[in-house]
Amino acid sequence: DAGVIQSPRHEVTEMGQEVTLRCKPISGHNSLFWYRQTMMRGLELLIYFNNNVPIDDSGMPEDRFSAKMPNASFSTLKIQPSEPRDSAVYFCASSPNRALYGYTFGSGTRLTVV
Amino acid sequence: AQTVTQSQPEMSVQEAETVTLSCTYDTSESDYYLFWYKQPPSRQMILVIRQEAYKQQNATENRFSVNFQKAAKSFSLKISDSQLGDAAMYFCASNFGNEKLTFGTGTRLTIIP
Repeated sequence: DAGVIQSPRHEVTEMGQEVTLRCKPISGHNSLFWYRQTMMRGLELLIYFNNNVPIDDSGMPEDRFSAKMPNASFSTLKIQPSEPRDSAVYFCASSPNRALYGYTFGSGTRLTVV
Repeated sequence: AQTVTQSQPEMSVQEAETVTLSCTYDTSESDYYLFWYKQPPSRQMILVIRQEAYKQQNATENRFSVNFQKAAKSFSLKISDSQLGDAAMYFCASNFGNEKLTFGTGTRLTIIP
């Protein structure tokens, strides 16, 4: 298995632009998580899906952030419009069963908004 | 509130020596899992070791072992025979019995050659 695949690895965009981050979870994993990592706030859970259904989006900071999981093999995190304070590393992770075995993380997307 | 606390922002150890990273947590759950993740400069999050709270035996994975004290809500990571490749941020985490992992703030480990 190729693991959790995220794209792009790096993204630089101008303030106000729309940004879309992509994630392909491990086949057979039924839970998918989006985390944001910053120096100030550490690792924050933004949203997670179980069987493609959003279960908890309480960590999504604002209405500018939205996430979808149209099928078991693909998820997106969209920021529209982007702001400099959104600059962070965004991780996608997947898990087979209630995080009993932890998550497998993707390599992250480093987002810079200028 | 369910929290994970790592009180050591930075640690350093001489190569080949042993180092222990501390982690405490707070929960009213009795059935949960605890994890240590490693994040090297490549930023990839790598699962190092996992402990089931209902097991008294401490988990071990090669040079990595934990000291799990359930009553004290303590879950420390011991790295034996430290190697240069062990240099990384280390995060303690727990699922507290549900789907989500809650992470500590991390400990940056430096290996001194």
